[in-house]
Amino acid sequence: KQEVTQIPAALSVPEGENLVLNCSFTDSAIYNLQWFRQDPGKGLTSLLLIQSSQREQTSGRLNASLDKSSGRSTLYIAASQPGDSATYLCAVKGGGADGLTFGKGTHLIIQP
Amino acid sequence: EAGVTQSPTHLIKTRGQQATLRCSPISGHTSVYWYQQALGLGLQFLLWYDEGEERNRGNFPPRFSGRQFPNYSSELNVNALELEDSALYLCASSLAGQYTEAFFGQGTRLTVV
Repeated sequence: KQEVTQIPAALSVPEGENLVLNCSFTDSAIYNLQWFRQDPGKGLTSLLLIQSSQREQTSGRLNASLDKSSGRSTLYIAASQPGDSATYLCAVKGGGADGLTFGKGTHLIIQP
Repeated sequence: EAGVTQSPTHLIKTRGQQATLRCSPISGHTSVYWYQQALGLGLQFLLWYDEGEERNRGNFPPRFSGRQFPNYSSELNVNALELEDSALYLCASSLAGQYTEAFFGQGTRLTVV
């Protein structure tokens, strides 16, 4: 059974810092990995999708990497802003037909 | 282009009642997924529909059920509501296939009193 772990569970940093969020998964037989953002009480916004054959994806100040063999992904946020404050969720689509498996998220606070 | 839409936004029900939640996928998407996000438990997979058929379900009791209509919209029904069913219910849609990106709606907040 696929399990996804996100570290740290919470992070508070001053505005302007570069930061890294970590995600690990136990079964490397994945199709793809997605990073999402969730604001309090809201739905999920897709940030980046990395296919299993890819090593990284970039969108603006966000860069996500994938090392499928070691079961790890990182989300790099450059020049953080208060508007980046949210919960960031990592999810993998594995070999089983059961949709996405999510980590519990990293709750990020960017201090002005 | 409209994203995934869910209705209602909020729903308050009494224990023992039935709740019906609705989801309209992005145009052209044939797969619909339902997830439950209960406080402190993270997102749990509930159901997957594709081309009108239930393809898989998560570890939830049979009182959680649903269907997908010919226009690919979907309905989640929860019978005999219990207090612990209180959660944010999220719907996602995607194109067919395993390598596709999932897009989520804003969710339905179900409160059981």
